[in-house]
Amino acid sequence: DAGVTQSPTHLIKTRGQQVTLRCSPISGHKSVSWYQQVLGQGPQFIFQYYEKEERGRGNFPDRFSARQFPNYSSELNVNALLLGDSALYLCASSSRDTNSYEQYFGPGTRLTVT
Amino acid sequence: AQSVTQLGSHVSVSEGALVLLRCNYSSSVPPYLFWYVQYPNQGLQLLLKYTSAATLVKGINGFEAEFKKSETSFHLTKPSAHMSDAAEYFCAVSVGTSYGKLTFGQGTILTVHP
Repeated sequence: DAGVTQSPTHLIKTRGQQVTLRCSPISGHKSVSWYQQVLGQGPQFIFQYYEKEERGRGNFPDRFSARQFPNYSSELNVNALLLGDSALYLCASSSRDTNSYEQYFGPGTRLTVT
Repeated sequence: AQSVTQLGSHVSVSEGALVLLRCNYSSSVPPYLFWYVQYPNQGLQLLLKYTSAATLVKGINGFEAEFKKSETSFHLTKPSAHMSDAAEYFCAVSVGTSYGKLTFGQGTILTVHP
C-alpha cells in the first residue's frame, strides 16, 4: 500500500511570495495533520483536518491556511513568505476510526525562502 | 497543555552497547506516547506507541520503551546498538481531547561508533 505522499519534494521561493504544498493520505485515512520542522527542532503542529473540516490549529499566523478535499487529500498554503518560514513541512495521516492516535508521516516538502 | 522534554540533544554509543534515550512528558490527562525516528532528509517513522495497554511497549528494530506514570517518563531503549540506528529520535505525546495533534520533543541525535 502506498504511504503518505507529498509534493513537491523541494521548493525555493522569494520573500513575499505564496506557496502551496500538497499531501495525499494513506488510503482509508480521513484525518490529515500538517507540521513545520525547522532545522534542529522537533516538528510543530500547524493544522489538523478531518472530514474536510478544520479540527485543530497550532500557534501559527493567519498567513498559514489549509483545506481538505472530498478525496481526503490536503493543501497547505502560506502567504507573504518570510525567511523564517524556511523549513521541512510534514504531512501526516491517521485513521480516526481506529482511535489509535498514531500518525503516519510523508517524506516532507523542503521549503527554502530567500 | 501537554509537553515533552527529551534529555540530551546528542547521545553517542559504541556498536553493540546499550541505547538509552530519555523522554519525560507533562499531561493533565492520560497521554498517548510515541517514539519516532527520522533519518537525514526523510520524514518520520513510527518506532512504537503507548496507548494505555501494556506499560512495556516493544517496537520495530529491537527498540522498546517503558511507560512509568510515577516518573512521567517514557524512555527508549535497545540492548545492542547497530550502525544503522544512527538517526534522530523524537518523543511525542497526544491526548484524547486533541486528536490529530502530536506535541514533539526537541529530538535526540544518536551517533553509533564502530
